[in-house]
Amino acid sequence: DVKVTQSSRYLVKRTGEKVFLECVQDMDHENMFWYRQDPGLGLRLIYFSYDVKMKEKGDIPEGYSVSREKKERFSLILESASTNQTSMYLCASSPPHEGYTFGSGTRLTVV
Amino acid sequence: ELKVEQNPLFLSMQEGKNYTIYCNYSTTSDRLYWYRQDPGKSLESLFVLLSNGAVKQEGRLMASLDTKARLSTLHITAAVHDLSATYFCAVTNTGNQFYFGTGTSLTVIP
Repeated sequence: DVKVTQSSRYLVKRTGEKVFLECVQDMDHENMFWYRQDPGLGLRLIYFSYDVKMKEKGDIPEGYSVSREKKERFSLILESASTNQTSMYLCASSPPHEGYTFGSGTRLTVV
Repeated sequence: ELKVEQNPLFLSMQEGKNYTIYCNYSTTSDRLYWYRQDPGKSLESLFVLLSNGAVKQEGRLMASLDTKARLSTLHITAAVHDLSATYFCAVTNTGNQFYFGTGTSLTVIP
C-alpha cells in the first residue's frame, strides 16, 4: 500500500514564525498536493506539483510556498504564520490520472 | 473551474434506514471518487467511478454515476453506527487535479 507520511499530527506555532510541514510518499508518485480543510469550507487546494522542482498554485496559495527537491518529498512552508492559517493540512499523492492517497493530516494551531 | 456540490451537508439518520447523498458537478469529468473521513482523521478512498452508468458497491454503500446529468449518488442501505463519518465526492477533468465537494456529515443514531 502507498504510504503518505506527514511529519507531525499536531503543531502549535506562534504568529510570525516560519513553519515547515513535511510530506513524504513511498510509491514513486509523480503528483503531490497540499490542501487545507476548514469547517464549512471543505478541502481547498493550496499548491500542487507534477514533478520534481515543479510547482503550481492552487486556489489559495497566498501566504504559502512549497518545495519539491526530491520526488518523494513535498514541503509546505508558511513564510510568516498567522492565526487565519490555523487549520487541518492534508497532503496527498497520486500517479498521473489516478486517485489520491492522503496522509494522516497535520492540525496546525497558530497562536 | 469545475464546481462540485454535495447535498445534504448534514444528515442524521436512524439505524436501519436508507438514504442517498447527492453529488453534482458543473462540467464534464472523466472520473469521480468517493472518500470517507472519520473525525480527526484523514480521507480514505471508497469508490472510483469511471464511466456513465458505473455502479460500485461495498457493504451497505453503493455509488453510481450519471455523466449526462453530471450526478453521482452514494446510497446507504440499512445504516449502522459505524457508517457515521463525513463523505466527500471529488471529480477531475484533466485526470490529475481533483475538485472536492464540501462533504456530507453523516450521523447514524441508534
